[in-house]
Amino acid sequence: DGGITQSPKYLFRKEGQNVTLSCEQNLNHDAMYWYRQDPGQGLRLIYYSQIVNDFQKGDIAEGYSVSREKKESFPLTVTSAQKNPTAFYLCASSRRQIRDTEAFFGQGTRLTVV
Amino acid sequence: GQQVMQIPQYQHVQEGEDFTTYCNSSTTLSNIQWYKQRPGGHPVFLIQLVKSGEVKKQKRLTFQFGEAKKNSSLHITATQTTDVGTYFCAGVNNDMRFGAGTRLTVKP
Repeated sequence: DGGITQSPKYLFRKEGQNVTLSCEQNLNHDAMYWYRQDPGQGLRLIYYSQIVNDFQKGDIAEGYSVSREKKESFPLTVTSAQKNPTAFYLCASSRRQIRDTEAFFGQGTRLTVV
Repeated sequence: GQQVMQIPQYQHVQEGEDFTTYCNSSTTLSNIQWYKQRPGGHPVFLIQLVKSGEVKKQKRLTFQFGEAKKNSSLHITATQTTDVGTYFCAGVNNDMRFGAGTRLTVKP
């Protein structure tokens, strides 16, 4: 089945540790996105990538890093510099640029830092 | 940068009542998209509006895009319990910025 997969669904980490969230898609989409969602709030854009080996910062990129070495994969690293990392993280992908088409979301990863 | 405001934050209705959520962008948009997120789930695409003044309907849902391509609305007629969830608008230019969402609850 084609789709976008995030793993794991739940993730627990100790404060001060870096953690990498996985996002893989087999939809042959060019563009991929990372969003953060806090309880009762909307989605805030962390990073996005429209092509392999290129990515741009969103509104809340501080404390996060990404890579786009393959078209299918867009992992997000939450670094120890992120002050409030506990949140629900959503990855999305779309064909070409987002202005031409809809975005498909993964199931999300709920990260808890203790 | 582009900002997208969405109101109301919450809406509680009796089943059968209508529901409307409004979205306003600080900049002119290429298009606007609407998504629905069920409790515990992920956003699912509903519709995309591209043209100035565009109106689209999906059964009981009516979507409008303003003439200036800066605002939009989603109206649900005669809500049902299956309509429960959070409705997000997303303003699109080179990236996609979401509104805060409107959480709809429906009392049977």
